[in-house]
Amino acid sequence: DAGVIQSPRHEVTEMGQEVTLRCKPISGHDYLFWYRQTMMRGLELLIYFNNNVPIDDSGMPEDRFSAKMPNASFSTLKIQPSEPRDSAVYFCASSSRQGISSYGYTFGSGTRLTVV
Amino acid sequence: DAKTTQPTSMDCAEGRAANLPCNHSTISGNEYVYWYRQIHSQGPQYIIHGLKNNETNEMASLIITEDRKSSTLILPHATLRDTAVYYCISGSSASKIIFGSGTRLSIRP
Repeated sequence: DAGVIQSPRHEVTEMGQEVTLRCKPISGHDYLFWYRQTMMRGLELLIYFNNNVPIDDSGMPEDRFSAKMPNASFSTLKIQPSEPRDSAVYFCASSSRQGISSYGYTFGSGTRLTVV
Repeated sequence: DAKTTQPTSMDCAEGRAANLPCNHSTISGNEYVYWYRQIHSQGPQYIIHGLKNNETNEMASLIITEDRKSSTLILPHATLRDTAVYYCISGSSASKIIFGSGTRLSIRP
């Protein structure tokens, strides 16, 4: 299994531009999580899905952020318009209900976003 | 989710056992204790979890006190590759995982 795959690995964009981060979870996993990590705030949970349905988006910082999961094998996190304070590493993680009780979440390698 | 407290940093000599403590005094009966670690620039990695019994796997051992208010993660023979931030988290299997600040473990040669 290739694990959780995120793309791109690095993204540099100008303030005001739209940014789309992508995630492919492990096949068979029905939970998907988006986290953001900064030096100041650590790892923050932004949103999570179960069976492609958003369950809790209370961590999404503001309306500029949106996340979708059109099918079980793909999710996107979009920032529009982007701002310098959005610069962070964004992680995607997936798991199954059974897996959470056995091996926890599997994280991707992250996308390092820099907004200039 | 219950809150956990961990030391900010620790160090350990290579080859020795690394014992990382965690307090979770407000943990409720159905909440597990999870440990993850994050090696620099990588995504967090699951290590182990337990409810009330001690647990062991190929990576580590988890010792949970009888009152479940604290636990210790044990890396039996620490290597330089174990240098990472270690996160202790408590929560139920159905809930989201919220990360705290963790313990920065340094392994010295």
